[in-house]
Amino acid sequence: EVQLQESGPGLVKPSQSLSLTCSVTGYSITSNYWGWIRKFPGNKMEWIGHISYSGSTSYNPSLKSRISITRDTSKNQFFLQLNSVTTEDTATYYCARYHLDSSYIYPLFDYWGQGVMVTVSS
Amino acid sequence: DVQMTQSPSYLAASPGESVSISCKASKSISTYLAWYQEKPGKANKLLIYSGSTLQSGTPSRFSGSGSGTDFTLTIRSLEPEDFTVYYCQHYNEYPLTFGSGTKLEIK
Repeated sequence: EVQLQESGPGLVKPSQSLSLTCSVTGYSITSNYWGWIRKFPGNKMEWIGHISYSGSTSYNPSLKSRISITRDTSKNQFFLQLNSVTTEDTATYYCARYHLDSSYIYPLFDYWGQGVMVTVSS
Repeated sequence: DVQMTQSPSYLAASPGESVSISCKASKSISTYLAWYQEKPGKANKLLIYSGSTLQSGTPSRFSGSGSGTDFTLTIRSLEPEDFTVYYCQHYNEYPLTFGSGTKLEIK
């Protein structure tokens, strides 16, 4: 069974960097695409970006200058780094797998982690 | 960016009833629309993709319809476990965007 688990600090100070890890079991991250999504207080959801099976990345233009998604294939993990955070980055962060159907990868999410709540506060 | 307008934000119904949730896109997204179910403490669940295709494991009381800009999620014969939050998401282009969510509550 495919499982994803986010981990990282629950509290980050303004202007610092937020670093999160997504640990994947039951499926190799060298297959498929893997994404990060966040949900703000008030329930608005935002796609952050993804990393592909080959390591290529795509980011939300609204965040592009501040984010980096990387991976460690030996550990079957991928990572999110968000720089220069503000209180507006307070959210629950999710990692998720893109959907594979008939050998085509679609940018919708068929497996999600349970999310990790991150608060940006001094 | 494609804006997804989801309505209503809140919906109250009784077990056994049927409900519909709307999702409207700011431009045509063909049928590149997914619906998710969110429950506290659990991973989000993909219910429907391609506007109307049920994901494996989705009960048949769930159905999706629509194309272009207007989409609907319908739940027939509501079960107690259906009272939770639902989101739509388009995947016609990047950036992917989501609806604002609908909370389905027991009347």
